[in-house]
Amino acid sequence: DAGVIQSPRHEVTEMGQEVTLRCKPISGHDYLFWYRQTMMRGLELLIYFNNNVPIDDSGMPEDRFSAKMPNASFSTLKIQPSEPRDSAVYFCASSKGQVYGYTFGSGTRLTVV
Amino acid sequence: GQSLEQPSEVTAVEGAIVQINCTYQTSGFYGLSWYQQHDGGAPTFLSYNALDGLEETGRFSSFLSRSDSYGYLLLQELQMKDSASYFCAVSPDYKLSFGAGTTVTVRA
Repeated sequence: DAGVIQSPRHEVTEMGQEVTLRCKPISGHDYLFWYRQTMMRGLELLIYFNNNVPIDDSGMPEDRFSAKMPNASFSTLKIQPSEPRDSAVYFCASSKGQVYGYTFGSGTRLTVV
Repeated sequence: GQSLEQPSEVTAVEGAIVQINCTYQTSGFYGLSWYQQHDGGAPTFLSYNALDGLEETGRFSSFLSRSDSYGYLLLQELQMKDSASYFCAVSPDYKLSFGAGTTVTVRA
């Protein structure tokens, strides 16, 4: 299995631009999670899906952030407009119906200048 | 909500044993997980304790005491490749919440 695949690995964008991060979970996993990691705040859960349905988006910082999961093999996290404080590493993770053993992707390092 | 406390840094020499403690407060509890993250990499799952006691996986062991809201990760026979950050995490449901992480530095 190729694991959780995220793209792009690195993204540098200017403030005000739209950013879209992509994730392909492990086939057969029914839970998908978006996390953000910064030095100040550590690993924060932004949103998670079960069977493509958003279950909890209470961690999404504000309306500039949105996430979708149109099918079982693809999810996006969009930031519009982006701000410098959004600079972080964004991880996608998936799980097969368990509350442990999440598999994380390699992350997208986002820099907003 | 959830809060977790773990030491920020630990340094040890190759071959030594390191114990990383984790105390937690949570409104609901399924279990305590441990993840390893090398610099610039993805967090990788190490172990999970749902019940009290010790779980052993090779050189790594994890312990849980639910009554004390406490657990630890034990790293034995330390190797240079064990230099990484280690995170404890609690699962009140599927919303896995992570501690701030412990940076382990292994010296020759």
